[in-house]
Amino acid sequence: GAVVSQHPSWVICKSGTSVKIECRSLDFQATTMFWYRQFPKQSLMLMATSNEGSKATYEQGVEKDKFLINHASLTLSTLTVTSAHPEDSSFYICSAREGGLEYGTQYFGPGTRLLVL
Amino acid sequence: GQNIDQPTEMTATEGAIVQINCTYQTSGFNGLFWYQQHAGEAPTFLSYNVLDGLEEKGRFSSFLSRSKGYSYLLLKELQMKDSASYLCAVVDSNYQLIWGAGTKLIIKP
Repeated sequence: GAVVSQHPSWVICKSGTSVKIECRSLDFQATTMFWYRQFPKQSLMLMATSNEGSKATYEQGVEKDKFLINHASLTLSTLTVTSAHPEDSSFYICSAREGGLEYGTQYFGPGTRLLVL
Repeated sequence: GQNIDQPTEMTATEGAIVQINCTYQTSGFNGLFWYQQHAGEAPTFLSYNVLDGLEEKGRFSSFLSRSKGYSYLLLKELQMKDSASYLCAVVDSNYQLIWGAGTKLIIKP
């Protein structure tokens, strides 16, 4: 159980285009989902916390107008990188928290590698 | 401020035992997670401790001492596939997950 999928796994796009990444909890409902970014050989960086039916909470320094998050259902959250630039190239990972417990285990999706040319 | 400390890198031999330590100073405590992350992949859940003591799960065990702000992950009978980064993360009083930078474990034959 507790499987999280992410799509696509790889994206290569031109600078200035927008990219949408989907995160799904396949066998459980996730009230809360998280979006992380990880640069090579660096630790995970939390970008935002997404709660179903409400606006996402962004971490300091993350532009909410550039990284649009929508958590439309208990099994789906999307991250849209708008007007992507080469510096946005990174490994984007979502996680979903199982159950309604605020200390519940986060299960991670396989990640999406974004390369902006 | 909030801080999680773990060694940057450790090396061990196949078949041996290794202990990865994690110390934390956070505003409150609502549990500690250990995750494994292979290079180029997303983290996978290993363990969750909220009470003091040792939790054993196969070859992996996790220990917690809340009074000392300390945890360790113990890996026995090391296999080459255990080469990965091991991430310690603490849930603080606001139920935010505070991540350590990870310990890269290198297993040698």
